[in-house]
Amino acid sequence: GDSVTQMEGPVTLSEEAFLTINCTYTATGYPSLFWYVQYPGEGLQLLLKATKADDKGSNKGFEATYRKETTSFHLEKGSVQVSDSAVYFCALIFVQSGGSYIPTFGRGTSLIVHP
Amino acid sequence: DSGVTQTPKHLITATGQRVTLRCSPRSGDLSVYWYQQSLDQGLQFLIHYYNGEERAKGNILERFSAQQFPDLHSELNLSSLELGDSALYFCASSPFDRGSTDTQYFGPGTRLTVL
Repeated sequence: GDSVTQMEGPVTLSEEAFLTINCTYTATGYPSLFWYVQYPGEGLQLLLKATKADDKGSNKGFEATYRKETTSFHLEKGSVQVSDSAVYFCALIFVQSGGSYIPTFGRGTSLIVHP
Repeated sequence: DSGVTQTPKHLITATGQRVTLRCSPRSGDLSVYWYQQSLDQGLQFLIHYYNGEERAKGNILERFSAQQFPDLHSELNLSSLELGDSALYFCASSPFDRGSTDTQYFGPGTRLTVL
């Protein structure tokens, strides 16, 4: 079945450092890819998405590019802030030929940013 | 605030008991999704309803059931509870049926503790 693999956390960075969180996927077709963020005590919020190969999703300084050749959707940010501390989830949704689909999430990567 | 509400916020119960979790989607959204988030399994998709009809099932146990009512709110029923059912249960909503590019809007979750 479809699956999403994220790098293990926690990722600990100093403020203004460069961030990369790796995400790779397996799917039988060409899914849509998402990054969600979960702040402490809250539900998940959509951060960005990409729906086809080579698309770049971006939001709040975060970016991710849909790479079909490497089946990856790595999250990057050039300069992190303390307020970016949260858990980040990579996810995919693929509509199968029968019309059903199962949203699949990675296990989440915790990011801790120190001042 | 995503506009999705979940009640109760916390629930503590004993093994063997039955509980009902409630979710109200965003105004106008017809789809409701249920997820279980636990430390060992990560975020797992349970079930999806669209306008009262079941659309997709994920890793939902037979002891669990859900329904979506004509006013579009949804309930997740968990019975014969076990210690391992302790988790955060999220619902999410979106406007559409099986859309592969849909953004899902997550509620704040219900934390279930089974003692």
